[in-house]
Amino acid sequence: EVQLVESGGGLVQPGGSLRLSCGASGFTFSDYWMSWVRQAPGKGLEWVANVKQDESEKYYVDSVKGRFTISRDNAKNSLYLQMNSLRAEDTAIYYCARDRSYSGTWCFDLWGQGTLVTVSS
Amino acid sequence: DIQMTQSPSSVSASVGDRVTITCRASQSISRYLNWYQQKPGKAPNLLIYAASSLQSGVPSRFSGSGSGTDFTLTISSLQPEDFATYYCQHSYSTLYSFGQGTKLEIK
Repeated sequence: EVQLVESGGGLVQPGGSLRLSCGASGFTFSDYWMSWVRQAPGKGLEWVANVKQDESEKYYVDSVKGRFTISRDNAKNSLYLQMNSLRAEDTAIYYCARDRSYSGTWCFDLWGQGTLVTVSS
Repeated sequence: DIQMTQSPSSVSASVGDRVTITCRASQSISRYLNWYQQKPGKAPNLLIYAASSLQSGVPSRFSGSGSGTDFTLTISSLQPEDFATYYCQHSYSTLYSFGQGTKLEIK
């Protein structure tokens, strides 16, 4: 079955760190760009970061630059998000998503179920 | 950065109605625009890519149009399972962004 499964969420204090993982199965993980997208409680979607197949390119939304690091291990079919200096506004469900190019546009055609990160004292 | 603005923020409609949701970009994004549906407690699901192409498995009552800065998602005849929140998303630049969402509710 083609799927993405996130893990690693939880409760963390402001200023703390957390590492999210996303395991991929059912497709050739190393063929795809991958992204993290988050959703604060009751709010809309926010793209966070993405990474090219060989990690030669990585992009981040301004609000997480310098604090979050996206990485991947193609041998383990896994995507990661290292989150440091966490703030209350980082509280959200974090989704792992597969980037796909269709007709020149990039979209997210496969999503995980999400993992909840709560930043609170 | 490119800002995406959807309207309306919420809409009430009945089964069988035709509904149109609009997405406007802060600058021209050609046709690099996608639409997603999200139901409560679930991950988003891709409906439309490249402004007007239907993702495999998505019912034909969903359609998209537009280019440049103005785009629309139309549901031709609402079904009970269509009541959800809809998001547009651009991929014109390397920094993607979504619209704020449109919640489609049952009248």
